[in-house]
Amino acid sequence: AQKITQTQPGMFVQEKEAVTLDCTYDTSDPSYGLFWYKQPSSGEMIFLIYQGSYDQQNATEGRYSLNFQKARKSANLVISASQLGDSAMYFCAMREGESGAGSYQLTFGKGTKLSVIP
Amino acid sequence: GAVVSQHPSRVICKSGTSVKIECRSLDFQATTMFWYRQFPKQSLMLMATSNEGSKATYEQGVEKDKFLINHASLTLSTLTVTSAHPEDSSFYICSAPTGSNYGYTFGSGTRLTVV
Repeated sequence: AQKITQTQPGMFVQEKEAVTLDCTYDTSDPSYGLFWYKQPSSGEMIFLIYQGSYDQQNATEGRYSLNFQKARKSANLVISASQLGDSAMYFCAMREGESGAGSYQLTFGKGTKLSVIP
Repeated sequence: GAVVSQHPSRVICKSGTSVKIECRSLDFQATTMFWYRQFPKQSLMLMATSNEGSKATYEQGVEKDKFLINHASLTLSTLTVTSAHPEDSSFYICSAPTGSNYGYTFGSGTRLTVV
């Protein structure tokens, strides 16, 4: 079974509108972390936002917020007020295990290509 | 912040030759380095995990004799693609945990083209 599922291969959003990118995950580890990265055409991985499994509140970073629904195992990314520069691939990723307690790799979803329309 | 410098950013090599990709941690000690491969329009797939001073751990299906990983110091990990073939053409990217919650820093990636 896939550990990270992103069901939207591509999404379009009008400039200045909000958009939600879906991510569901599967783990039996009580300690885990969820990440969202942006990958523009240059290939660099840009960290956007992080949510820990024990965090009580949804994470927010500027225009990015993470809608964390633990019981449903979903961690959707919400981008508010979309900008043309937001056009890129977006990857959801998971680290199983506690941070700092060892070196755990990230497992990535297949990604969603977001296109912002002027 | 923690920075990983990856070189080269692009390389074109002839089939049968070897290519070395370097990832250096500039302002922190990277005891672990993850190496990923990304084919066009696909996700990042973990190839191997290197730990300073020990042998790398390869994921299932990754040929350890073809993708040589060396992590001889706390600031340098290298991936050598030996006897490269066109099917090895891909985007290779390294990543190191930095110890904080969201502390994974990525190199800028290497686009390898084998002709």
